[in-house]
Amino acid sequence: GQNIDQPTEMTATEGAIVQINCTYQTSGFNGLFWYQQHAGEAPTFLSYNVLDGLEEKGRFSSFLSRSKGYSYLLLKELQMKDSASYLCAVRRANDYKLSFGAGTTVTVRA
Amino acid sequence: EAQVTQNPRYLITVTGKKLTVTCSQNMNHEYMSWYRQDPGLGLRQIYYSMNVEVTDKGDVPEGYKVSRKEKRNFPLILESPSPNQTSLYFCASRDTLEETQYFGPGTRLLVL
Repeated sequence: GQNIDQPTEMTATEGAIVQINCTYQTSGFNGLFWYQQHAGEAPTFLSYNVLDGLEEKGRFSSFLSRSKGYSYLLLKELQMKDSASYLCAVRRANDYKLSFGAGTTVTVRA
Repeated sequence: EAQVTQNPRYLITVTGKKLTVTCSQNMNHEYMSWYRQDPGLGLRQIYYSMNVEVTDKGDVPEGYKVSRKEKRNFPLILESPSPNQTSLYFCASRDTLEETQYFGPGTRLLVL
């Protein structure tokens, strides 16, 4: 199985930066994903990391360290519309199963 | 418009009455998957399919069945629903050469 841990909630101010950490333990690794889910809606894909390092995509960046079983999602220049749940997910190498963390609810305040 | 559709969107049923939730995608994706989402537990994978006639169990397959007779459709079958299957269900698909997974709008199921 896979253990995926991420904080339950985070609060930040509009215009600020927030970093959401995700740690995982898995038997075989084939990629880590971040999804955004607004309340009452379906998740939408944000990023994918399979090699160590930082992937930047506009205001959002995702980092991976495979040796530490650690990733973070960095949200810069926060906007009110960034208030959502952010889901970390890990794919296993041998069978391509995808396991999700419980999600981190980010609240952006004016 | 590229999309994943699910039907019904909302369903209230009683224990033991067989039901099927349909999922269809129009993107010619090989990979399709079903998840359930419960408060505090996040998304959990029920079943997935790498292609037609190829299905595999996810982390919580008990009480569910799936089939993949055509590339576009991946129905989720609950032969004898129980109250612990009350949940929000999502279908998703992706091209196996890409990493972006597209989710359907969700089906909210209540089993009494």
